[in-house]
Amino acid sequence: AQSVTQLGSHVSVSEGALVLLRCNYSSSVPPYLFWYVQYPNQGLQLLLKYTSAATLVKGINGFEAEFKKSETSFHLTKPSAHMSDAAEYFCAVIENTGGFKTIFGAGTRLFVKA
Amino acid sequence: EPEVTQTPSHQVTQMGQEVILRCVPISNHLYFYWYRQILGQKVEFLVSFYNNEISEKSEIFDDQFSVERPDGSNFTLKIRSTKLEDSAMYFCASIPGTMNTEAFFGQGTRLTVV
Repeated sequence: AQSVTQLGSHVSVSEGALVLLRCNYSSSVPPYLFWYVQYPNQGLQLLLKYTSAATLVKGINGFEAEFKKSETSFHLTKPSAHMSDAAEYFCAVIENTGGFKTIFGAGTRLFVKA
Repeated sequence: EPEVTQTPSHQVTQMGQEVILRCVPISNHLYFYWYRQILGQKVEFLVSFYNNEISEKSEIFDDQFSVERPDGSNFTLKIRSTKLEDSAMYFCASIPGTMNTEAFFGQGTRLTVV
């Protein structure tokens, strides 16, 4: 079975600082990994996805993530945080058996301080 | 751009009542899903549906729940005899049929059981 683990339920950064949200995956086969963002009282928006084409994946709003097989990681980064980045971020993996369901991590809430 | 649409966006129901949450997946997609997110918690898989039948369901998806694709376009989640703990955001999603793509999520239905 595949799974993802997000380290840190809350992360707080100052505006302009680096954002680093951590995600580790567990998979016996090459995974398909995703990051979603959820703003308060809203739905899930796809930030970026890794589908084995390139290890460094660029997404929307200046976010990117690097797939590191040796570390089983898929951390999300942004060089300079904006106040508008405050949201909940979910790492996710598609299970490659049966019905291809999406398995979500527990989420990391990002706070951005002025 | 095609999207998954869900109705209603918010539903309030009395405990013990039945509710039907509706979704229109993207038209050429083959797999359909319902997920649940209790306030402040992670997104949890409920059920997947393929070829007009359930392909997988979680332990959350007990006899209280049922899904249907009544007319080839709508995909519904029925909750019989709602309980307070059913209060959550319910997301519908669909994928084309290959796993190297993200699931397309609707904006969710917020169900409040009072």
